[in-house]
Amino acid sequence: QVQLQESGPGLVKPSQTLSLTCTVSSGSISTGGYHWSWIRQLPGQGLEWIGYIYNTGNTYYNPSLKGRVSISVDTSNDQFSLKLSSVTAADTAVYFCARLALCCYTFDSWGQGTLVTVSS
Amino acid sequence: VLTQSPATLSLSPGERATLSCRASQSATYYLAWYQQKPGQPPRLLIYDAFNRATGVPVRFSGSGSGTDFTLTISSLEPEDFAMYYCHQRGNWTIGQGTKVEMK
Repeated sequence: QVQLQESGPGLVKPSQTLSLTCTVSSGSISTGGYHWSWIRQLPGQGLEWIGYIYNTGNTYYNPSLKGRVSISVDTSNDQFSLKLSSVTAADTAVYFCARLALCCYTFDSWGQGTLVTVSS
Repeated sequence: VLTQSPATLSLSPGERATLSCRASQSATYYLAWYQQKPGQPPRLLIYDAFNRATGVPVRFSGSGSGTDFTLTISSLEPEDFAMYYCHQRGNWTIGQGTKVEMK
């Protein structure tokens, strides 16, 4: 059973860049048939899919985040990372990394999530 | 856009829960349901509208196609009180959720 774990600062100042890493274990990020995703949950709200990356490095981002997002992959260490620039308090959320199974278009494995607060 | 209704469902253990998810454009069968409990990540319940994920109890069932989908919990167990989200293939939003709370 693949496991995912988010890591990174829990506090980011406004206008700075939020950076998180997801480490994949008990499985390989190079395994085909999956997209590696970042999803966030704003306080008391639903879930927003931020974007995803394939092991080839191809990326797709939610248009609502207006070019502030970048996702990269490090296949040698089974990690993928999120950068969200120019953050504001509205970006305060729990950030999850997740695996999207292309067979069925489902998020079949998730990290536990990490709370990132944007505040000075 | 995915619209889930009702926002909150107040029921007692043993009762039947019926949750609705309406897509603004046809999702054919590519719709999934997730359950989320406080402090936990979502858990996949149903995929392709009606297929139960591994380990999901048979009291959970999904139905529908096109734009209207339903998640039914035939007889609520105490552990079923949670948030439920639907997700349509290609949609960047994973629903606003239905909260199933204990009456």
